[in-house]
Amino acid sequence: AQSVTQLDSQVPVFEEAPVELRCNYSSSVSVYLFWYVQYPNQGLQLLLKYLSGSTLVKGINGFEAEFNKSQTSFHLRKPSVHISDTAEYFCAGLTGGGNKLTFGTGTQLKVEL
Amino acid sequence: DTAVSQTPKYLVTQMGNDKSIKCEQNLGHDTMYWYKQDSKKFLKIMFSYNNKELIINETVPNRFSPKSPDKAHLNLHINSLELGDSAVYFCASSRTGGNYGYTFGSGTRLTVV
Repeated sequence: AQSVTQLDSQVPVFEEAPVELRCNYSSSVSVYLFWYVQYPNQGLQLLLKYLSGSTLVKGINGFEAEFNKSQTSFHLRKPSVHISDTAEYFCAGLTGGGNKLTFGTGTQLKVEL
Repeated sequence: DTAVSQTPKYLVTQMGNDKSIKCEQNLGHDTMYWYKQDSKKFLKIMFSYNNKELIINETVPNRFSPKSPDKAHLNLHINSLELGDSAVYFCASSRTGGNYGYTFGSGTRLTVV
C-alpha cells in the first residue's frame, strides 16, 4: 500500500480562487509530514512541516495545511492562488522507522487567468 | 551561498559510459541522500549516508555507487549507463533523523543517448 497518497494528479484553478491539494498517509508513516513545491526545472523547496503541536501549520507563500489524525490526512490549502503558484506539489512523510522521506506521486497545480 | 549544491546541472552521455555527479552541503547536516525523479515526476530514495556511513541502500542496480568522503559531500558514480538511467537526480541533506525536513539541491538532469 502507498505510504503517502495524493489522489489528484492535476488540479486546475482560476487565479484568486481557493485551492486544496489532498494528501493521505498510511500507518507506516510517522507523524512527521511535509509539503514540498517544485517549480518547473527546479529543485524541491519546503513549504511547511508538521512535527507536533497545533494541527494547523502555516508555511511560506500563504499556504497552510491541517493535520487530521482521525482521517490520516494532511491537506494543503491556500485561500487565493496566484499564477506564480503554478508548480508541482509533493506531500511527504518519514517512513522506515523515520529513516527516509517518502513522497506522494505529486499534484500539478495549474493556475489559470 | 547555496545550501546544497550539485554538479553538473545537465549531463548528456552515451550508453555504456561511466559518469559521476557531485554534491556538497554547507548546512552542517549529518545525513545526505540521493533521490531519483523519473519522467512522471515520481521521487524515489536511492541512498542515504549518515556521518559517512551508508544507512539506506534501496534496490538500486549495483552500477550505482555512492561515496561520501566526509559528511559534507556525497557523490554518485554510475557505471555502464543505460537508457533507463535518464532521470533527474537530486541530492539532499538533513539533520540526523530528518524530522525537520530535507534540503534539496537543484538537481542533475541526466540524459543517456
